[in-house]
Order: sequence, then C-alpha cells, then structure tokens
Amino acid sequence: GAVVSQHPSWVICKSGTSVKIECRSLDFQATTMFWYRQFPKQSLMLMATSNEGSKATYEQGVEKDKFLINHASLTLSTLTVTSAHPEDSSFYICSAKGTSSSHHVTDTQYFGPGTRLTVL
Amino acid sequence: GQNIDQPTEMTATEGAIVQINCTYQTSGFNGLFWYQQHAGEAPTFLSYNVLDGLEEKGRFSSFLSRSKGYSYLLLKELQMKDSASYLCAVLDSNYQLIWGAGTKLIIKP
Repeated sequence: GAVVSQHPSWVICKSGTSVKIECRSLDFQATTMFWYRQFPKQSLMLMATSNEGSKATYEQGVEKDKFLINHASLTLSTLTVTSAHPEDSSFYICSAKGTSSSHHVTDTQYFGPGTRLTVL
Repeated sequence: GQNIDQPTEMTATEGAIVQINCTYQTSGFNGLFWYQQHAGEAPTFLSYNVLDGLEEKGRFSSFLSRSKGYSYLLLKELQMKDSASYLCAVLDSNYQLIWGAGTKLIIKP
C-alpha cells in the first residue's frame, strides 16, 4: 500500500512554456500533499503544502503565481510551472500523507517517483 | 531555530555494519523518520520512531532517544545496493517535517 504516482517522469520544454505535473495517491486518500524541489547533490526543499479543497501554503521564497498548485480531490494534486525558465530545471517530487484511518503510521509522507524537468 | 544534524558522507564495506547518527533540535517532537534516497530517485520510507528504543525491520534498525534528541539508523550485512543517501526528518509540534541534509553512504566491495 501507500503508492504515489507522478506524471510525467521527465519533461523537456522550451523557455516560456508551462508544464503541468500530476501527483496521485493510488491506494489511499491523501488529505495533504507536498511538493518538493531538489537540485543536484542538494537536499530536498519543500515548496508548498496543499490540503484537499483549500489553497496551498507556500514556503518563503516560492512564487505562488509561478508554481500553481491545485489539490482538487483526495487522490490528485497538480503542480503547474508557468512560463518556465532554465533556472526552473530541477527534480520535482511530490509526497502524500494519508489519514489515520488509512495508515498504521500516521504522518508518514510517501513519495512519488519524481519528475525531472529540463527547460531549454 | 530548528536544526537536524547528520554526517555528510560515510563509507563502509560490503557485509559490514554501519550506524548513521542524527541529532535534532526542534520546536516540539511528534516522531522521527528515516528515508532512503538513491541517486536520481525520490526518497522511500524506511522507519518511524516516536517512542524511545530500537525498532528493527530486517537488516535495518532505527533507534530513538528523545531526552538526548538523538537517533541512529543501523544497517547490517551491507549490500552494494545500500549505497544511497539516508535522510533523517523530524515532525515538529506543528506537524511540519523538518529535513536533515542527508548522509551519503558509500559501500565498497
């Protein structure tokens, strides 16, 4: 159990275009989803936390108008990188946290496989 | 401020045992997690400790001492595939996950 999928696995796009990344919890309901970014050989950096049906909470320094997050259902969250630029090239990883009724270990974040974004 | 310390890099030999330490100073404590992350991949959950003591799961064990703000991950019978980064993370009083920078473990034959 506790499987999280992410799509696409990798994407290459031109500068100025928008890219949408989907994160799905496949076998549990995710009340909270998290979006991280990781540059090569660096730590995970939390970008934002989203709860189903409400606006995402962004970390300091993360532009909410550039990184649009939608958490429309208990199994799906999307991150849209708008007007992507080469400096946005990174490894984007989502994670999902279930409810206490769906998991023995509460508050555990289960990660999707990640999306590698390259902006030319 | 909140702080999680773990060694940047460790080297061990195949078949041996290695202990990766993690010390933390956080505003409140609601549990400590260990994750494994292979290069180019997302982290995978290894263990969760919220009470003092040792939790054993196969070749991997995790220990917690809340009074000392200390945890370790013990890996036995090391295999080459255990080469990865190991991330320590603490759930603080606001249920926010505070991440350590990770320990890169290199396994040599």
